[in-house]
Amino acid sequence: GQNIDQPTEMTATEGAIVQINCTYQTSGFNGLFWYQQHAGEAPTFLSYNVLDGLEEKGRFSSFLSRSKGYSYLLLKELQMKDSASYLCAVKDSNYQLIWGAGTKLIIKP
Amino acid sequence: GAVVSQHPSRVICKSGTSVKIECRSLDFQATTMFWYRQFPKQSLMLMATSNEGSKATYEQGVEKDKFLINHASLTLSTLTVTSAHPEDSSFYICSASRGGISGANVLTFGAGSRLTVL
Repeated sequence: GQNIDQPTEMTATEGAIVQINCTYQTSGFNGLFWYQQHAGEAPTFLSYNVLDGLEEKGRFSSFLSRSKGYSYLLLKELQMKDSASYLCAVKDSNYQLIWGAGTKLIIKP
Repeated sequence: GAVVSQHPSRVICKSGTSVKIECRSLDFQATTMFWYRQFPKQSLMLMATSNEGSKATYEQGVEKDKFLINHASLTLSTLTVTSAHPEDSSFYICSASRGGISGANVLTFGAGSRLTVL
């Protein structure tokens, strides 16, 4: 079966750095996405990785290792507004998106 | 950028009634739209893939006669929850991709519709 694993919840301090991990086992791979979802709202796109390595976009970076079936989302200089759920999703060989259950990130002052 | 509008954002209805949710791509044509359902503290569950001009493709376990999907134009897909019951109360979200479903094409989500069935 296809599976994506993320921690259920993480807590970090304002101004700090946090890394949210995602491991996947899918039938084929056509890219990995990270989305941010605030409570009661729809997800918004954060990043896309299809090749190994680090993609940096401001305070957010995303890393991919296809051989390990592993990705992480790195958030720097955390702000209170970063409190949200972070969803990892992988496109399989049929270009179908497989979603992780999401990681709820709690930022404390 | 791609914008997807979803309406209504909140709806409360009585058990046994039907509710229609609209999803529009405002600045692009979407041959394919996706309907998701999300229960509290859970991730997105794909219900069906809506294809313009043809029948929707439903995921396993989703009743096609209960969740009617119509994708009559390249910018509009509708989800009708028929004979709604309290267990249908959920957050329904539509999404579309400007460039189709392959590769790096990013999904843009509507704002979601929170359905409460009394």
